[in-house]
Amino acid sequence: NAGVTQTPKFRVLKTGQSMTLLCAQDMNHEYMYWYRQDPGMGLRLIHYSVGEGTTAKGEVPDGYNVSRLKKQNFLLGLESAAPSQTSVYFCASSYQQGSQPQHFGDGTRLSIL
Amino acid sequence: AQKVTQAQTEISVVEKEDVTLDCVYETRDTTYYLFWYKQPPSGELVFLIRRNSFDEQNEISGRYSWNFQKSTSSFNFTITASQVVDSAVYFCALSEEGVAGNMLTFGGGTRLMVKP
Repeated sequence: NAGVTQTPKFRVLKTGQSMTLLCAQDMNHEYMYWYRQDPGMGLRLIHYSVGEGTTAKGEVPDGYNVSRLKKQNFLLGLESAAPSQTSVYFCASSYQQGSQPQHFGDGTRLSIL
Repeated sequence: AQKVTQAQTEISVVEKEDVTLDCVYETRDTTYYLFWYKQPPSGELVFLIRRNSFDEQNEISGRYSWNFQKSTSSFNFTITASQVVDSAVYFCALSEEGVAGNMLTFGGGTRLMVKP
């Protein structure tokens, strides 16, 4: 049971470089989310998707783009990385009902130099 | 305005002590859900419990118990007879029925250190 898998687990980028974080879930969940975790601030929602082909902005979307071409995958892109985007990124997925908990991946630690 | 507040940023206890982690939330929805997640030093987020706004019954699971009080907008978490393995960051989170996408709003977390 893989659950939610994030790739890669660690990455170091230089300012201005681009990269894509991949999230895959095998639970047939409709909803998927990308969060960032910074010290003392809990997790903040970047973007989310309520189904294949849909995306929406969360609390802190600037500097990121997302795509959900397949139900099981949710990609997070940084077009031009900035040091302020140094963070731990978590992907999550859930069933449609609000009562259902979100299941999280193990996180991606990203450093921008 | 912050919707979920965990006022205790860090708590340190000695093993076998009881400890309560506070969570205060703010919402205008009548239907909402509250969650607790645990983040051990290894970094993953582990779901602990969910409560809906219509169920104020307290819950006990082993050494863990949760006290949900709508009158004070609080959802506190108590660990009885703490153990070193309980050392982690604990997050309280809120999901509001009226908000699209069932987004979670997290508190800032409480770091619990249990010393042997």
